[in-house]
Amino acid sequence: DTAVSQTPKYLVTQMGNDKSIKCEQNLGHDTMYWYKQDSKKFLKIMFSYNNKELIINETVPNRFSPKSPDKAHLNLHINSLELGDSAVYFCASSQVRTGGTGELFFGEGSRLTVL
Amino acid sequence: AQTVTQSQPEMSVQEAETVTLSCTYDTSESDYYLFWYKQPPSRQMILVIRQEAYKQQNATENRFSVNFQKAAKSFSLKISDSQLGDAAMYFCALWRQGNEKLTFGTGTRLTIIP
Repeated sequence: DTAVSQTPKYLVTQMGNDKSIKCEQNLGHDTMYWYKQDSKKFLKIMFSYNNKELIINETVPNRFSPKSPDKAHLNLHINSLELGDSAVYFCASSQVRTGGTGELFFGEGSRLTVL
Repeated sequence: AQTVTQSQPEMSVQEAETVTLSCTYDTSESDYYLFWYKQPPSRQMILVIRQEAYKQQNATENRFSVNFQKAAKSFSLKISDSQLGDAAMYFCALWRQGNEKLTFGTGTRLTIIP
């Protein structure tokens, strides 16, 4: 069983379109994240949710809207895609509040290409 | 604010030799964790090793070990007996209790020379 799974793995779309990436974790963790990895491989946090509550929103444009229907799922919807949104988006989960050590478990990443 | 700095964008090592990747960090907290993650070409992020700041003993995982210098805020990764499968991007990362996010360095690309 994959611990953190995200779909789709690859997305190719035109500027101006809207797209979503889904993420699910079966580790029972209380916190989930979206990280963006740009072309220079820099990893930057975008959002985190703890038990469906938004905890971190790191100056991400309003076109990006995360949604967490329950603590095992965190989806990312992107409106009006721009060329600069092309990147790999990683979902991750962690146990933070009780016995947390900060270790993140990552999905395989979703490569978004905006043409 | 917490920051993580990896000053070596690229490193290379001969197969079977030893290589050390550098990392320095900055935090005002005393309770934190440090990590090294590996990202091979498959792009999967894989945990290599973890160090709790309150532990003085350096963490070791098989061929991977760290040199944790808390006063100097330095956390280097040593890879012994390098193998072709070690070729990857290596990221140093810092977690601070109460901060609830992992802050990454910019990464070091490691090449293994056969």
